[in-house]
Amino acid sequence: AQSVTQLDSQVPVFEEAPVELRCNYSSSVSVYLFWYVQYPNQGLQLLLKYLSGSTLVESINGFEAEFNKSQTSFHLRKPSVHISDTAEYFCAVSVTRNTDKLIFGTGTRLQVFP
Amino acid sequence: GAVVSQHPSRVICKSGTSVKIECRSLDFQATTMFWYRQFPKKSLMLMATSNEGSKATYEQGVEKDKFLINHASLTLSTLTVTSAHPEDSSFYICSVVWGTQYFGPGTRLLVL
Repeated sequence: AQSVTQLDSQVPVFEEAPVELRCNYSSSVSVYLFWYVQYPNQGLQLLLKYLSGSTLVESINGFEAEFNKSQTSFHLRKPSVHISDTAEYFCAVSVTRNTDKLIFGTGTRLQVFP
Repeated sequence: GAVVSQHPSRVICKSGTSVKIECRSLDFQATTMFWYRQFPKKSLMLMATSNEGSKATYEQGVEKDKFLINHASLTLSTLTVTSAHPEDSSFYICSVVWGTQYFGPGTRLLVL
């Protein structure tokens, strides 16, 4: 079985500061990794994903995540956050490329202060 | 624009009544939809897989007689919470798969 751990339930940070949201996973088989973002009163949106190839993946709004197989991690980073990045971020794994049966972490609330 | 819609966005009902939540795929036909439940400060928990034209597949521990799922068309799946109780109060989210999962905005259910 697979599991996902997000150790930080909340991450407060000032605007323009860097941020890292941690994600570790456990699985006996190969997995595909995802980060979803949930803005207030909205549904989850795919932020970025690792399926294969380069271990560093990027999103269109400046976030990046690096797949580290030896550490079973997929931490999300952004060098300079904006107020608009305030949201709940969920790390997830799947054993299929088309994201059937996603296993989610408990989420990290990123709160960006001016 | 939105790919998946849910209705209602929030509902309050009395204990013992049944509540129906709709999930619509707006941009494409979906033979498979998923229903999740999200508890406060907790992760999304997959409840069941809704299959168009056949019975839903429920995850272990989810009561199929309690949470009735009907996937009557390629664009609509419904979740009915039967004889709702306060412990059923939660945030229910559906998703459709079209290459990747697209999630609806969720329905907040409060059972008094």
